[in-house]
Amino acid sequence: ETGVTQTPRHLVMGMTNKKSLKCEQHLGHNAMYWYKQSAKKPLELMFVYSLEERVENNSVPSRFSPECPNSSHLFLHLHTLQPEDSALYLCASSQDPSGIDQETQYFGPGTRLLVL
Amino acid sequence: QKEVEQNSGPLSVPEGAIASLNCTYSDRGSQSFFWYRQYSGKSPELIMFIYSNGDKEDGRFTAQLNKASQYVSLLIRDSQPSDSATYLCAAFSGGYNKLIFGAGTRLAVHP
Repeated sequence: ETGVTQTPRHLVMGMTNKKSLKCEQHLGHNAMYWYKQSAKKPLELMFVYSLEERVENNSVPSRFSPECPNSSHLFLHLHTLQPEDSALYLCASSQDPSGIDQETQYFGPGTRLLVL
Repeated sequence: QKEVEQNSGPLSVPEGAIASLNCTYSDRGSQSFFWYRQYSGKSPELIMFIYSNGDKEDGRFTAQLNKASQYVSLLIRDSQPSDSATYLCAAFSGGYNKLIFGAGTRLAVHP
């Protein structure tokens, strides 16, 4: 396995379901991110974890709950989602945990989520 | 509100021509700038980054930065149909490596 992987690649869920998205990075990075990408809109940063500590939470609704058990794994737990939450959810990682240096983020393939 | 603006396109260029993609940003404190390419249904992949005023070349790609005008561009020389994708511009504005992305410009290179 190389780079950043995400599972599942596609997910269809009802508004009452609970599901989890998984991200794993094999790059030895210290920071991991969740982004939401909706059609024709910029990537929206949702959460940032640096050295397993959450350092950013961009006013994301509580129906999205992140978890970072270690520096290689990141989860996004979903419950009682709304149809407008349908989007591509991208995970990314980068090396620098301090946020000082300009650092490249590497993206996973994404999970295409459809909420019915 | 920190913003990165891009023309959504599509920008249509013939094969072999130079494609010019433009981006403006609102935060004067932005330190570095990234260009990502995203094929339909795929994740963004980094093309190059730039943090000094002027030009930076990498193969067929040239990034240009003008901090006074708050303007970043990406030139693609000898455009190929395989360059057809959405190009995302992002500005690094500090704070735990947070990138602000534009909505992207769709490029179509036709044979």
